[in-house]
Amino acid sequence: ETGVTQTPRHLVMGMTNKKSLKCEQHLGHNAMYWYKQSAKKPLELMFVYSLEERVENNSVPSRFSPECPNSSHLFLHLHTLQPEDSALYLCASSQSTLAGDEQFFGPGTRLTVL
Amino acid sequence: RKEVEQDPGPFNVPEGATVAFNCTYSNSASQSFFWYRQDCRKEPKLLMSVYSSGNEDGRFTAQLNRASQYISLLIRDSKLSDSATYLCVVKSPGSSASKIIFGSGTRLSIRP
Repeated sequence: ETGVTQTPRHLVMGMTNKKSLKCEQHLGHNAMYWYKQSAKKPLELMFVYSLEERVENNSVPSRFSPECPNSSHLFLHLHTLQPEDSALYLCASSQSTLAGDEQFFGPGTRLTVL
Repeated sequence: RKEVEQDPGPFNVPEGATVAFNCTYSNSASQSFFWYRQDCRKEPKLLMSVYSSGNEDGRFTAQLNRASQYISLLIRDSKLSDSATYLCVVKSPGSSASKIIFGSGTRLSIRP
């Protein structure tokens, strides 16, 4: 497979569940990102990883916990979420975190919290 | 004032028309600018980067006006397949990585 892949594509979970979103990039990039896209809102950057180190954490609640075991994989661990966390979660990667680098997005995981 | 602002639209134009929309940004230190396209229920995909001198890719022309702090996208001879949401992205210097701000998008609908 090429590009950026995400699993699962759809997820429904209760507020007491624990689940994980997975992202994998096959582009040889060094930077990976998690974004949240809610209805009628702009994409919100959640986390940035560069060479497996977290470099940005944009005031995201602790119920979202990222993990980057290597430069090709990124996880978002979810626990005790709220209904307002229902959204499309997009993973992206880029060659580096330099301003000029293009980001490539995965297809997203559409999350519904009941 | 939002850091990046776009007219949400929708812009509803006939096939073959020329359409343009702008995106304003508030941080004068912003360094890089992009236009992404997002189809319904799909991920954003890069349409084009925006260079200081302006750039063109086929029917698409992007311009940057640093003095007035906006970027623009012009689509000529619009096609039905151009219907999508167009997202403007602005990157600024950050402490450890570039700060990335997405606009909320402009919806474009091309009618036959």
